[in-house]
Amino acid sequence: AQKVTQAQTEISVVEKEDVTLDCVYETRDTTYYLFWYKQPPSGELVFLIRRNSFDEQNEISGRYSWNFQKSTSSFNFTITASQVVDSAVYFCALVNAGNMLTFGGGTRLMVKP
Amino acid sequence: KAGVTQTPRYLIKTRGQQVTLSCSPISGHRSVSWYQQTPGQGLQFLFEYFSETQRNKGNFPGRFSGRQFSNSRSEMNVSTLELGDSALYLCASSLGLAMNTEAFFGQGTRLTVV
Repeated sequence: AQKVTQAQTEISVVEKEDVTLDCVYETRDTTYYLFWYKQPPSGELVFLIRRNSFDEQNEISGRYSWNFQKSTSSFNFTITASQVVDSAVYFCALVNAGNMLTFGGGTRLMVKP
Repeated sequence: KAGVTQTPRYLIKTRGQQVTLSCSPISGHRSVSWYQQTPGQGLQFLFEYFSETQRNKGNFPGRFSGRQFSNSRSEMNVSTLELGDSALYLCASSLGLAMNTEAFFGQGTRLTVV
C-alpha cells in the first residue's frame, strides 16, 4: 500500500516570508512519480510539478522550489517571499507502478498581507 | 485551448436518488479520471478511463460507476445516494494513460445529498 502524509494541516505566514510545506510518502515500488498540486478557492487542482523516483535533482521555478530526498522519502515544497495569491490548499500526491494516484491530506496555506 | 469542463457545477439531490455528472476533457486527451473530495476523507481516487475502457478503480462501492464515450467525454453515476456522498467531485484529463503524466483538473461538481 502507498501513503502520502502532509503533517501540516494549516500554515499561516505573513507576506514575504518563506514557507516550506512538508510531504512524506510510503511506497514499496522503486518506480513512482510525485506531484504537487495547488487548489485555490475556485476548486480546480492546478499542477505544479512532477518528479519521477529516479530524478532526485532539486528544482526551482521562480519563487517555488522542491527538495526531493529518497533517503527520507520526502518531497518538500518551498515558497520564497510568499504572496497573498499563494493562499490555497496544497496537495502532495504519488503515483506508483499500479497507476493509482494517492493524495496527501493537504496543507492549507494562508498568506496574510 | 479550452480546459476541462464539468457539469453541472452544483447539484442538490435527495437520499436514494441517483445522479450523473459529466466531464469534458481537454481536446486530444484520452484519459479521464474522477476523484471525490470530502473534508473527512480528503481526495480519493474513484476511477480512470482511457479509450472508453476503465483502467483503474479506487476503493468505492459499486454504486459508483462511470463510462467514457468515443469522444473521450466521461460520465460518472452514483446510484442510491447516501448523505455521505456529499462531496466535491473532480475530473481530470491527461494525454496518456495513468497519472504519471500531467493532469488537468476541472472545477468540480459540488454534490449535496439531503
